[in-house]
Amino acid sequence: AQTVTQSQPEMSVQEAETVTLSCTYDTSESDYYLFWYKQPPSRQMILVIRQEAYKQQNATENRFSVNFQKAAKSFSLKISDSQLGDAAMYFCAYMEYGNKLVFGAGTILRVKS
Amino acid sequence: GAVVSQHPSWVICKSGTSVKIECRSLDFQATTMFWYRQFPKQSLMLMATSNEGSKATYEQGVEKDKFLINHASLTLSTLTVTSAHPEDSSFYICSASPWTGERETQYFGPGTRLLVL
Repeated sequence: AQTVTQSQPEMSVQEAETVTLSCTYDTSESDYYLFWYKQPPSRQMILVIRQEAYKQQNATENRFSVNFQKAAKSFSLKISDSQLGDAAMYFCAYMEYGNKLVFGAGTILRVKS
Repeated sequence: GAVVSQHPSWVICKSGTSVKIECRSLDFQATTMFWYRQFPKQSLMLMATSNEGSKATYEQGVEKDKFLINHASLTLSTLTVTSAHPEDSSFYICSASPWTGERETQYFGPGTRLLVL
């Protein structure tokens, strides 16, 4: 079974600075999807960014970008110009057969003003 | 776009009663809906996958007779917790994948907090 590992239980970043959240996964598949979801205190899951494994170009959404290293099975999220509203739990997820998502344990991001 | 709603957002019930939670995709049709359970400060645990017009597929360890799932249309799935007990208290979240477009992406509802007394 596929597994997703987020090795950082908590991270802190100063407002306006950049932070990178780590994620590694294990799979024998060659084509798959990866996601980062954000869960603020309201507990609403919000899609941050998605990456298709067959695309070599790293996905970008405004201040959010990923570093996708397929051979290393690594999928890190970079948040630039951090804002107070970025404070949340961030989950990395792998989509396996049947469109089922396998989530990592999550990383709590704290933003300091 | 891609909005998913859940109702109710918060429910308290007595032990032994049943509770129904609705999940609706508001602006798209969903071929597949998913039900998750989340304990405080933990990750999401998939309970079951629901396809319109067919029986739900439950994950290992999830009691299908306790957590009844009905997916009657392309925009509505319901989860019924039957004979609820305090250990069923949790945060339940649904998600939906669009029929067209980015079918691989799941959009999540706001969740339902269940407290069983």
